[in-house]
Amino acid sequence: DAGITQSPRHKVTETGTPVTLRCHQTENHRYMYWYRQDPGHGLRLIHYSYGVKDTDKGEVSDGYSVSRSKTEDFLLTLESATSSQTSVYFCAISAVNLQGEPQHFGDGTRLSIL
Amino acid sequence: KQEVTQIPAALSVPEGENLVLNCSFTDSAIYNLQWFRQDPGKGLTSLLLIQSSQREQTSGRLNASLDKSSGRSTLYIAASQPGDSATYLCAVRRPIQGAQKLVFGQGTRLTINP
Repeated sequence: DAGITQSPRHKVTETGTPVTLRCHQTENHRYMYWYRQDPGHGLRLIHYSYGVKDTDKGEVSDGYSVSRSKTEDFLLTLESATSSQTSVYFCAISAVNLQGEPQHFGDGTRLSIL
Repeated sequence: KQEVTQIPAALSVPEGENLVLNCSFTDSAIYNLQWFRQDPGKGLTSLLLIQSSQREQTSGRLNASLDKSSGRSTLYIAASQPGDSATYLCAVRRPIQGAQKLVFGQGTRLTINP
């Protein structure tokens, strides 16, 4: 299995509080991604990173920010959590631009916003 | 905008049967197509990746085909086993250099009955 660790694995918090999810990889891969998975919508890309301090938006980036200060860590922050951000969040990684290289996923963080 | 559809949403078959899962996409300009497996409470595991220039890929009892012109892919599972029970997702990669921007279908939940 690819060395991807997400923390925390579960979190319950209240509306309006800040939340930070962490993704840590041991593969030294260049690209890292944050997805959310919701019933009826499947997985959708929130943000991704193509290098240290290099990030870009995905299709559902509103209300989220990211940071990558080290190759191995990619943080997802909800500045002021809302109930609509209750979801399962997945981190993924991929190597340099190889057409035949799949993405590898972490086990996810289940986040509940009450 | 690329859209990916998987039909059926759920499938239940007896052990030993051969089965086919379907994936369709609206834009034939893809970089590659990936099939993933997701077990409950877990992340995604890559099963097969078909590059845009390929027609099919095989791994053990799994065979995936790709027809870009018709916007379709199928995942064939031979001699199904209870351990094959999981949700199967397909994802297409947009033809953009660098990061793998994947667009996912909503998955087919497969149950193999002993």
